[in-house]
Amino acid sequence: EIVLTQSPGTLSLSPGERATLSCRASQSLSNSYLAWYQQKPGQAPRLLYAASRRATGIPDRISVSESGTDFTLTINRLEPEDFAVYYCQQYDSSSSIIFGQGTRLEIK
Amino acid sequence: QVQLQESGPGLVKPSQTLSLTCTVSDGSINTGTYYWSWIRQPAGRGLEWIGRIYNSGRTNYNPSLKSRVTISVDTSKNQFSLRLGSVTAADTAVYYCAREYYYVGLDPWGQGTLVTVSS
Repeated sequence: EIVLTQSPGTLSLSPGERATLSCRASQSLSNSYLAWYQQKPGQAPRLLYAASRRATGIPDRISVSESGTDFTLTINRLEPEDFAVYYCQQYDSSSSIIFGQGTRLEIK
Repeated sequence: QVQLQESGPGLVKPSQTLSLTCTVSDGSINTGTYYWSWIRQPAGRGLEWIGRIYNSGRTNYNPSLKSRVTISVDTSKNQFSLRLGSVTAADTAVYYCAREYYYVGLDPWGQGTLVTVSS
Protein backbone atom coordinates (compact mmCIF):
# COMPACT_ATOMS: atom_id res chain seq x y z
CA GLU A 1 0.00 0.00 0.00
CA ILE A 2 1.40 3.32 -1.04
CA VAL A 3 1.88 6.01 1.62
CA LEU A 4 2.40 9.69 0.89
CA THR A 5 4.40 11.55 3.54
CA GLN A 6 4.29 15.33 3.46
CA SER A 7 6.82 17.57 5.14
CA PRO A 8 7.01 19.74 7.02
CA GLY A 9 3.80 19.41 8.95
CA THR A 10 3.67 23.16 9.41
CA LEU A 11 5.64 25.82 7.55
CA SER A 12 5.78 29.36 8.93
CA LEU A 13 6.79 32.01 6.43
CA SER A 14 6.22 35.67 5.67
CA PRO A 15 4.55 37.16 2.59
CA GLY A 16 7.06 37.59 -0.20
CA GLU A 17 9.10 34.54 0.82
CA ARG A 18 9.34 31.21 -1.01
CA ALA A 19 7.59 28.08 0.25
CA THR A 20 8.88 24.61 -0.50
CA LEU A 21 6.54 21.74 0.34
CA SER A 22 7.55 18.12 0.04
CA CYS A 23 5.62 14.93 -0.66
CA ARG A 24 7.39 11.58 -0.61
CA ALA A 25 5.80 8.40 -1.93
CA SER A 26 6.65 5.08 -0.29
CA GLN A 27 6.89 3.43 -3.70
CA SER A 28 6.97 4.34 -7.33
CA LEU A 29 3.92 3.80 -9.54
CA SER A 30 4.74 4.26 -13.17
CA ASN A 31 1.18 4.94 -14.34
CA SER A 32 0.20 7.31 -11.56
CA TYR A 33 0.44 11.06 -11.58
CA LEU A 34 0.77 13.19 -8.45
CA ALA A 35 -1.75 15.95 -7.79
CA TRP A 36 -1.62 18.89 -5.39
CA TYR A 37 -4.54 20.61 -3.69
CA GLN A 38 -4.95 23.78 -1.64
CA GLN A 39 -7.55 23.98 1.11
CA LYS A 40 -8.50 27.12 2.97
CA PRO A 41 -10.51 27.06 6.22
CA GLY A 42 -14.16 26.23 5.65
CA GLN A 43 -13.63 25.57 1.95
CA ALA A 44 -13.33 22.52 -0.24
CA PRO A 45 -9.91 21.58 -1.58
CA ARG A 46 -8.96 23.14 -4.89
CA LEU A 47 -6.83 21.42 -7.49
CA LEU A 48 -3.53 23.22 -8.09
CA TYR A 49 -1.60 20.75 -10.21
CA ALA A 50 -2.30 17.43 -11.84
CA ALA A 51 -0.09 15.40 -14.17
CA SER A 52 2.53 18.17 -13.87
CA ARG A 53 0.08 20.67 -15.34
CA ARG A 54 -1.09 23.79 -13.58
CA ALA A 55 -4.88 23.85 -13.11
CA THR A 56 -6.92 26.67 -14.61
CA GLY A 57 -6.42 29.98 -12.84
CA ILE A 58 -3.37 28.92 -10.83
CA PRO A 59 -0.60 31.55 -11.07
CA ASP A 60 2.76 30.62 -12.54
CA ARG A 61 4.58 31.52 -9.33
CA ILE A 62 3.35 28.09 -8.17
CA SER A 63 5.33 25.21 -9.65
CA VAL A 64 6.05 21.54 -9.09
CA SER A 65 9.00 19.25 -9.56
CA GLU A 66 9.74 15.60 -9.02
CA SER A 67 12.68 13.31 -8.56
CA GLY A 68 11.83 9.65 -8.37
CA THR A 69 9.42 9.30 -5.48
CA ASP A 70 10.07 12.81 -4.14
CA PHE A 71 7.70 15.57 -5.22
CA THR A 72 7.95 19.27 -4.46
CA LEU A 73 5.47 22.12 -4.61
CA THR A 74 7.12 25.54 -4.71
CA ILE A 75 5.29 28.82 -4.17
CA ASN A 76 7.33 31.92 -4.98
CA ARG A 77 6.62 35.40 -3.62
CA LEU A 78 4.03 34.26 -1.09
CA GLU A 79 0.85 36.26 -1.05
CA PRO A 80 -1.69 36.37 1.80
CA GLU A 81 -4.10 34.10 -0.11
CA ASP A 82 -1.45 31.34 -0.31
CA PHE A 83 -1.61 30.58 3.41
CA ALA A 84 -3.61 27.38 3.60
CA VAL A 85 -3.24 23.61 3.92
CA TYR A 86 -1.75 21.73 0.98
CA TYR A 87 -2.33 18.06 0.15
CA CYS A 88 -0.65 15.77 -2.31
CA GLN A 89 -2.55 12.88 -3.86
CA GLN A 90 -1.73 9.80 -5.88
CA TYR A 91 -3.28 6.51 -6.97
CA ASP A 92 -2.27 3.13 -5.63
CA SER A 93 -1.98 -0.07 -7.63
CA SER A 94 -5.69 -0.85 -7.20
CA SER A 95 -6.69 2.66 -8.39
CA SER A 96 -7.62 3.84 -4.90
CA ILE A 97 -6.93 7.51 -4.24
CA ILE A 98 -4.36 8.21 -1.53
CA PHE A 99 -3.79 11.60 0.11
CA GLY A 100 -0.83 12.85 2.08
CA GLN A 101 -1.54 14.11 5.58
CA GLY A 102 -1.15 17.75 4.55
CA THR A 103 1.21 20.66 5.16
CA ARG A 104 -0.09 23.77 6.85
CA LEU A 105 1.43 26.97 5.47
CA GLU A 106 0.96 29.69 8.04
CA ILE A 107 1.92 33.34 8.27
CA LYS A 108 4.98 33.94 10.40
CA GLN B 1 -18.08 25.31 -15.67
CA VAL B 2 -19.48 22.17 -14.04
CA GLN B 3 -20.61 22.52 -10.44
CA LEU B 4 -21.33 19.90 -7.79
CA GLN B 5 -23.58 20.19 -4.76
CA GLU B 6 -23.95 17.71 -1.92
CA SER B 7 -27.26 17.25 -0.13
CA GLY B 8 -28.65 15.04 2.59
CA PRO B 9 -29.30 14.79 6.33
CA GLY B 10 -26.82 16.51 8.59
CA LEU B 11 -27.49 14.19 11.50
CA VAL B 12 -27.53 10.40 11.48
CA LYS B 13 -27.98 8.07 14.43
CA PRO B 14 -25.35 5.45 15.25
CA SER B 15 -25.83 2.11 13.48
CA GLN B 16 -28.03 3.71 10.83
CA THR B 17 -27.22 4.48 7.19
CA LEU B 18 -25.79 7.77 5.97
CA SER B 19 -27.23 8.82 2.60
CA LEU B 20 -25.99 11.73 0.50
CA THR B 21 -26.61 12.88 -3.04
CA CYS B 22 -24.38 14.93 -5.31
CA THR B 23 -26.09 16.94 -8.02
CA VAL B 24 -24.03 17.89 -11.05
CA SER B 25 -24.98 21.08 -12.86
CA ASP B 26 -23.71 22.91 -15.95
CA GLY B 27 -22.36 19.64 -17.27
CA SER B 28 -23.40 16.06 -17.92
CA ILE B 29 -22.59 13.18 -15.62
CA ASN B 30 -22.78 11.01 -18.73
CA THR B 31 -19.56 12.30 -20.23
CA GLY B 32 -17.21 9.44 -20.84
CA THR B 33 -14.11 11.24 -19.68
CA TYR B 34 -14.79 11.44 -15.98
CA TYR B 35 -15.53 9.42 -12.90
CA TRP B 36 -17.40 10.77 -9.90
CA SER B 37 -15.96 10.45 -6.41
CA TRP B 38 -16.82 10.86 -2.75
CA ILE B 39 -14.24 12.06 -0.21
CA ARG B 40 -14.60 12.85 3.47
CA GLN B 41 -12.72 14.89 6.06
CA PRO B 42 -13.19 14.67 9.83
CA ALA B 43 -12.90 17.98 11.60
CA GLY B 44 -9.30 19.15 11.81
CA ARG B 45 -8.01 16.13 9.94
CA GLY B 46 -6.96 15.06 6.47
CA LEU B 47 -8.81 13.79 3.42
CA GLU B 48 -10.03 10.22 2.93
CA TRP B 49 -11.25 8.92 -0.41
CA ILE B 50 -14.42 6.84 -0.11
CA GLY B 51 -15.04 5.62 -3.63
CA ARG B 52 -15.99 6.43 -7.20
CA ILE B 53 -18.54 5.60 -9.87
CA TYR B 54 -18.59 5.78 -13.65
CA ASN B 55 -21.72 6.65 -15.61
CA SER B 56 -22.09 2.97 -16.50
CA GLY B 57 -22.44 2.15 -12.81
CA ARG B 58 -18.98 0.65 -12.43
CA THR B 59 -17.61 1.38 -8.95
CA ASN B 60 -14.40 1.29 -6.94
CA TYR B 61 -14.29 1.63 -3.16
CA ASN B 62 -11.70 2.34 -0.50
CA PRO B 63 -10.90 -1.12 0.88
CA SER B 64 -11.19 0.17 4.44
CA LEU B 65 -14.83 1.18 3.85
CA LYS B 66 -15.86 -1.25 1.13
CA SER B 67 -18.03 -3.47 3.34
CA ARG B 68 -20.25 -0.51 4.30
CA VAL B 69 -20.28 1.66 1.16
CA THR B 70 -22.54 1.78 -1.87
CA ILE B 71 -22.23 4.44 -4.56
CA SER B 72 -24.88 4.68 -7.25
CA VAL B 73 -25.65 6.94 -10.19
CA ASP B 74 -28.86 8.31 -11.68
CA THR B 75 -27.93 9.72 -15.07
CA SER B 76 -31.50 10.91 -15.73
CA LYS B 77 -31.19 13.26 -12.75
CA ASN B 78 -27.49 14.02 -13.26
CA GLN B 79 -26.83 12.80 -9.74
CA PHE B 80 -24.75 10.25 -7.92
CA SER B 81 -25.25 9.06 -4.38
CA LEU B 82 -23.43 7.66 -1.37
CA ARG B 83 -24.75 5.23 1.21
CA LEU B 84 -22.61 4.34 4.22
CA GLY B 85 -24.07 1.75 6.56
CA SER B 86 -23.61 0.96 10.24
CA VAL B 87 -22.25 4.40 11.02
CA THR B 88 -20.47 5.33 14.22
CA ALA B 89 -19.15 8.59 15.63
CA ALA B 90 -15.96 7.94 13.64
CA ASP B 91 -17.93 8.59 10.46
CA THR B 92 -18.66 12.18 11.51
CA ALA B 93 -17.04 14.34 8.85
CA VAL B 94 -17.51 16.81 6.05
CA TYR B 95 -18.41 14.79 2.96
CA TYR B 96 -17.38 16.07 -0.46
CA CYS B 97 -18.26 14.94 -3.94
CA ALA B 98 -15.92 15.65 -6.81
CA ARG B 99 -15.42 15.03 -10.48
CA GLU B 100 -12.46 12.76 -11.12
CA TYR B 101 -10.27 12.72 -14.18
CA TYR B 102 -9.24 9.12 -13.83
CA TYR B 103 -5.64 8.67 -12.75
CA VAL B 104 -5.11 12.42 -12.82
CA GLY B 105 -7.03 14.23 -10.10
CA LEU B 106 -10.21 15.62 -8.61
CA ASP B 107 -11.70 18.83 -9.95
CA PRO B 108 -13.98 20.49 -9.18
CA TRP B 109 -15.24 19.67 -5.70
CA GLY B 110 -18.60 20.36 -4.14
CA GLN B 111 -18.67 22.72 -1.18
CA GLY B 112 -19.04 19.81 1.23
CA THR B 113 -21.70 18.88 3.74
CA LEU B 114 -21.21 18.12 7.41
CA VAL B 115 -22.67 14.86 8.63
CA THR B 116 -22.72 14.23 12.36
CA VAL B 117 -23.32 10.78 13.78
CA SER B 118 -24.97 11.13 17.14
CA SER B 119 -27.96 9.83 19.04
